[in-house]
Amino acid sequence: GEDVEQSLFLSVREGDSSVINCTYTDSSSTYLYWYKQEPGAGLQLLTYIFSNMDMKQDQRLTVLLNKKDKHLSLRIADTQTGDSAIYFCAESSGSSASKIIFGSGTRLSIRP
Amino acid sequence: KAGVTQTPRYLIKTRGQQVTLSCSPISGHRSVSWYQQTPGQGLQFLFEYFSETQRNKGNFPGRFSGRQFSNSRSEMNVSTLELGDSALYLCASSFASGNNSPLHFGNGTRLTVT
Repeated sequence: GEDVEQSLFLSVREGDSSVINCTYTDSSSTYLYWYKQEPGAGLQLLTYIFSNMDMKQDQRLTVLLNKKDKHLSLRIADTQTGDSAIYFCAESSGSSASKIIFGSGTRLSIRP
Repeated sequence: KAGVTQTPRYLIKTRGQQVTLSCSPISGHRSVSWYQQTPGQGLQFLFEYFSETQRNKGNFPGRFSGRQFSNSRSEMNVSTLELGDSALYLCASSFASGNNSPLHFGNGTRLTVT
């Protein structure tokens, strides 16, 4: 069935780059997403990539998609304390793009 | 442009009661989806509405229901509340129901059942 997996924790030093990895199973996914959730808040859409793209860059964010390996990554350049949050990888279901399958989230913590 | 608005932000209910949550989508968005977030199960899809019709449904019991109005606003209802229904309920809207519309989420309604 559809499944999205990501590591639970990542700790990086302020100013370094953060790389959060994700694997998914549904090869028919149309969109792959990265959402950010801060404490007490909902999900903020950070970026998304269409399945026929390899890379997307948006300011400090770079998304890489390896469709053959079903691997998605999010790189945050020059990580700041405000980047501390839980990051969710998600894929659109092959049956409906409005039904999103989420990973369990990666908690990113920043060291001074 | 205002984002997705969910009311109320917090709710405390007693087991056996029912509850109604409200969601106003981004202006111009016609699709509304609902998700449940719990520490144990993570984010799970409840259902999706488009043009007042339910388009998709997740694996939740019939106690969970929803509807959408002609102005695209949506409500979600949970009847006969159980302790396990305590969760953050997130609403998301998109322009259309389909493959070209990413979901934008609200801040959620945190429901506590005692």
